[in-house]
Amino acid sequence: DARVTQTPRHKVTEMGQEVTMRCQPILGHNTVFWYRQTMMQGLELLAYFRNRAPLDDSGMPKDRFSAEMPDATLATLKIQPSEPRDSAVYFCASGFLPLATNEKLFFGSGTQLSVL
Amino acid sequence: GQQVMQIPQYQHVQEGEDFTTYCNSSTTLSNIQWYKQRPGGHPVFLIQLVKSGEVKKQKRLTFQFGEAKKNSSLHITATQTTDVGTYFCAGTLSSGSARQLTFGSGTQLTVLP
Repeated sequence: DARVTQTPRHKVTEMGQEVTMRCQPILGHNTVFWYRQTMMQGLELLAYFRNRAPLDDSGMPKDRFSAEMPDATLATLKIQPSEPRDSAVYFCASGFLPLATNEKLFFGSGTQLSVL
Repeated sequence: GQQVMQIPQYQHVQEGEDFTTYCNSSTTLSNIQWYKQRPGGHPVFLIQLVKSGEVKKQKRLTFQFGEAKKNSSLHITATQTTDVGTYFCAGTLSSGSARQLTFGSGTQLTVLP
């Protein structure tokens, strides 16, 4: 079955270190999303790309976060420098937009980030 | 901006009891989707509703889309321990662009055996 692949699954790092999370979307999907999930904030949309072009990153702290899609098979989310408040689960999801009937988002398994 | 509110935030039920979660939008939606996230897992698509007043069923799950297309509900009949997880609604505005695919805060369901 086609699936979204995220690496790493878990990351523990110290405050101030750079963190890079990677996502391989499902082949053929034209849109990739980055979400952050915490107990307090639920699922927050950080950024998304359509056909590899960044369309909206207004949900992302610009000073330390950056998202790129160097090719159709790879999306990255970087945090530099990381802070303890960045601890969360980061999900990548892909889909084919605009959403037609029964088009859906496929989520990766997430990266659980702990910043000490 | 568009907001999608979901209640309750948490629900504990005894196995065999029914469960309902409600989703309300501040703006009219083009469609609404429901996702389920098992503990430690990732959200998985359940269903999409498009038409005003639409009702869809999946075994013990019943999904409704309001007449005004601003609210939706998910009802589970006779819950089982396998129903444990967080249920999210996600609404889309008529433009269909991703920025308007807004997730509710989720309802975390616990089923006590």
